Amino acid sequence: GQQLNQSPQSMFIQEGEDVSMNCTSSSIFNTWLWYKQDPGEGPVLLIALYKAGELTSNGRLTAQFGTTRKDSFLNISASIPSDVGIYFCAGLFTGNQFYFGTGTSLTVIP
Amino acid sequence: NAGVTQTPKFQVLKTGQSMTLQCAQDMNHEYMSWYRQDPGMGLRLIHYSVGAGITDQGEVPNGYNVSRSTTEDFPLRLLSAAPSQTSVYFCASSYGGNGYTFGSGTRLTVV
Repeated sequence: GQQLNQSPQSMFIQEGEDVSMNCTSSSIFNTWLWYKQDPGEGPVLLIALYKAGELTSNGRLTAQFGTTRKDSFLNISASIPSDVGIYFCAGLFTGNQFYFGTGTSLTVIP
Repeated sequence: NAGVTQTPKFQVLKTGQSMTLQCAQDMNHEYMSWYRQDPGMGLRLIHYSVGAGITDQGEVPNGYNVSRSTTEDFPLRLLSAAPSQTSVYFCASSYGGNGYTFGSGTRLTVV
């Protein structure tokens, strides 16, 4: 299957700091998604990106579809304790089958 | 609007036992899939279905069976549970390429 590499694997940050994470693929994708998984829950969709170069925000979250179509980036500004969780990227070339990254675990220290 | 409902939430099995993990969605989504989540491994696709009567294997299908007799339901069967199948299982559904809606997961322990 497709390999999606997310980095970093984990982050420990102080409340109020900004966060950046990224996802890279060996193949091009036509859709990139970012999910957040709270402890003990299923992943929830945060942001969807459909065009190379697209920049989309959802509150304090901003994601970008890389111009090469092989990468995507997620930024969180002014982190708060409820940002804790695992963030997954997912890519789609065609059809319905998304491929998921291995996740970035975020810990926010009050 | 319930979304994707998974049952049970927790299950403990003995090695060799069989069981079925249930998944139902009420959004009329054609595509449904099962993933397992293990520490450091992300989400790995077990089986998927593009519509009623159609199923196919994903990345890690061994030891699991699925069927899709209706649009709403997509059960996952463990034929003979093994400790390696201890994991968190997620069912997801989608329509087109609009992203998946996930259930809240089933936490399975095989002893």
